Amino acid sequence: QVQLVQSGAEVKKPGSSVKVSCKASGGPFSNYVFNWVRQAPGQGLEWMGGIIPIFGTKNYAQRFQGRVTISAATSSSTVYMELSSLTSEDTAVYFCASSLYNGYDSPDPFDIWGQGTMVTVSS
Amino acid sequence: DIVLTQSPDSLAVSLGERATINCKSSRNVLFGSNSKSNLAWYQQKPGQPPKLLVYWASTRESGVPDRFTGGGSGTDFTLTISSLQPEDVAVYYCQQYFSPSVSFGGGTRVEIK
Repeated sequence: QVQLVQSGAEVKKPGSSVKVSCKASGGPFSNYVFNWVRQAPGQGLEWMGGIIPIFGTKNYAQRFQGRVTISAATSSSTVYMELSSLTSEDTAVYFCASSLYNGYDSPDPFDIWGQGTMVTVSS
Repeated sequence: DIVLTQSPDSLAVSLGERATINCKSSRNVLFGSNSKSNLAWYQQKPGQPPKLLVYWASTRESGVPDRFTGGGSGTDFTLTISSLQPEDVAVYYCQQYFSPSVSFGGGTRVEIK
């Protein structure tokens, strides 16, 4: 089963961008769908978007459209999430989560999660 | 977008007693091809990523204790912990994966009374 290891914590200035990586190992990268979920301090889970690397298909939550970019590098089995125009409201733990590709537009539930990456936005 | 509303926000239950969490969907999440609901439940403990407990509304993930039971169909769902154990203290989330734009409920915090 695939395992996900995310990049380390980041501190960013308001207005800047952050790019978080998620490296998959232990399974065929092309068999999986990858999603990004964030969690602000003391708050619930918020889905940001997902990617099917085998097709390059991406789907973003409406509230992040135009501000988030999810990409994948199949050569290194790594998925990326870049969020721009950061504000203090973007301070959160960002999780990479995956499931096996099921052939449908909607993913299966997320049975594999990365450890999370803390992004702090502060001037 | 599909909105999931969980209730209660928190509950305190005595050890060994039953805890029930509700999740209501703004749309029917019944998947036509297999007549199952695209609804999952996750458990999250402090400082950890969420852990998948139940999918297809009532199918327990491998390794999940059988005191966790998911129920419901269509728009109304429940997660029941039949006999609360100390290690069950956590926040529980429902998730719909019917739509390509998945969404989560707001979470229910379960504590020991």
